[in-house]
Amino acid sequence: GEDVEQSLFLSVREGDSSVINCTYTDSSSTYLYWYKQEPGAGLQLLTYIFSNMDMKQDQRLTVLLNKKDKHLSLRIADTQTGDSAIYFCAEILSGSARQLTFGSGTQLTVLP
Amino acid sequence: GAVVSQHPSRVICKSGTSVKIECRSLDFQATTMFWYRQFPKQSLMLMATSNEGSKATYEQGVEKDKFLINHASLTLSTLTVTSAHPEDSSFYICSAREVAADTQYFGPGTRLTVL
Repeated sequence: GEDVEQSLFLSVREGDSSVINCTYTDSSSTYLYWYKQEPGAGLQLLTYIFSNMDMKQDQRLTVLLNKKDKHLSLRIADTQTGDSAIYFCAEILSGSARQLTFGSGTQLTVLP
Repeated sequence: GAVVSQHPSRVICKSGTSVKIECRSLDFQATTMFWYRQFPKQSLMLMATSNEGSKATYEQGVEKDKFLINHASLTLSTLTVTSAHPEDSSFYICSAREVAADTQYFGPGTRLTVL
């Protein structure tokens, strides 16, 4: 079945860049997403990339997509303590329901 | 971006009672809404897909008679946990799909605690 995988933890120093990686399995995914979840809160859509794109940049966020390897990454430049959260990648399954399949989430900890 | 609200944000109830959670899309119409459940330090588990004006589609293993979903309008879906038990305690999150952007926007979640 479909599966989205992420490493569980990442720690970086404030001011450094963070790179969160994700692998997915559904090659027919049209959109891939990155969501941020702070403690006790819902999910905030950070950015998304269409499957025919290789890269998308939005201020401090850069998304890279390698369709051949089914690998997605999120780079956060100049990481701040406020970026500490859980980051989920997600893909939309092919099909009319447009359901999201989430990765396990990566806990990003930014150290001062 | 589009805003989705949930109400209540937290609820504590006694075992055996029913709890209703509302999910509203505030500035867009959502023909499809999704209900998720999230256990501590885990990812989101899709419970059901709710389509306006029709019956919800439940994921395997989710009891439709226990988790009643109603999507009566393009901006409101409700999840009712019937005869709640302590094992139903969880964080419930809804999302609403904005058709134009083919993007799901999430509510802030509802923390349910069943005593």
